[in-house]
Amino acid sequence: AQKVTQAQTEISVVEKEDVTLDCVYETRDTTYYLFWYKQPPSGELVFLIRRNSFDEQNEISGRYSWNFQKSTSSFNFTITASQVVDSAVYFCALSEVANSGYALNFGKGTSLLVTP
Amino acid sequence: NAGVTQTPKFRVLKTGQSMTLLCAQDMNHEYMYWYRQDPGMGLRLIHYSVGEGTTAKGEVPDGYNVSRLKKQNFLLGLESAAPSQTSVYFCASSPLASGGIKAKNIQYFGAGTRLSVL
Repeated sequence: AQKVTQAQTEISVVEKEDVTLDCVYETRDTTYYLFWYKQPPSGELVFLIRRNSFDEQNEISGRYSWNFQKSTSSFNFTITASQVVDSAVYFCALSEVANSGYALNFGKGTSLLVTP
Repeated sequence: NAGVTQTPKFRVLKTGQSMTLLCAQDMNHEYMYWYRQDPGMGLRLIHYSVGEGTTAKGEVPDGYNVSRLKKQNFLLGLESAAPSQTSVYFCASSPLASGGIKAKNIQYFGAGTRLSVL
């Protein structure tokens, strides 16, 4: 069963629009970690953020913000005033403490296209 | 800062050929992982290692073998390549998780190896 669901396969926005990428996860662990990675067209995977299950504070980093809600098992990612350079595939991932050496369970990714 | 280095970057194999993908990290990380990425599938765990000399199977281990003889290297082997193994392979490493909310288990990825099996 898919542990991380990214329901949006592709999103297209015009530059300067705000965009939210959804992530819903499933776990029975009380301690777990959630991540977002960015994969630009060049192909590398870039770490964006890690959140542990005990910290539900939202986080803002420049134009990026993350909303973690345990009640709905969601960890959504918002880009404010999107730019062309934000065009990439974004992956949400779950790491469970007792599973596979903290390996990441990835969602299938959301492809974001920002056009001028 | 080399970080995680994967060799080779590209490779084309014929069905039945064998090859080894090398992953090297210079961050003294305990944990290392091999993932494969297929279109529309995200990344899936093949094998992982929690320390030198130890390996374990992940979600999709069939057709692959691994070895971790040295802490800094994690090798992924294909004994008899099949077209279904055409994929992009990523290696990752992370420091030892100390447990609790302070665990540092961020994974750092290599640039990937694009493998085609004809």
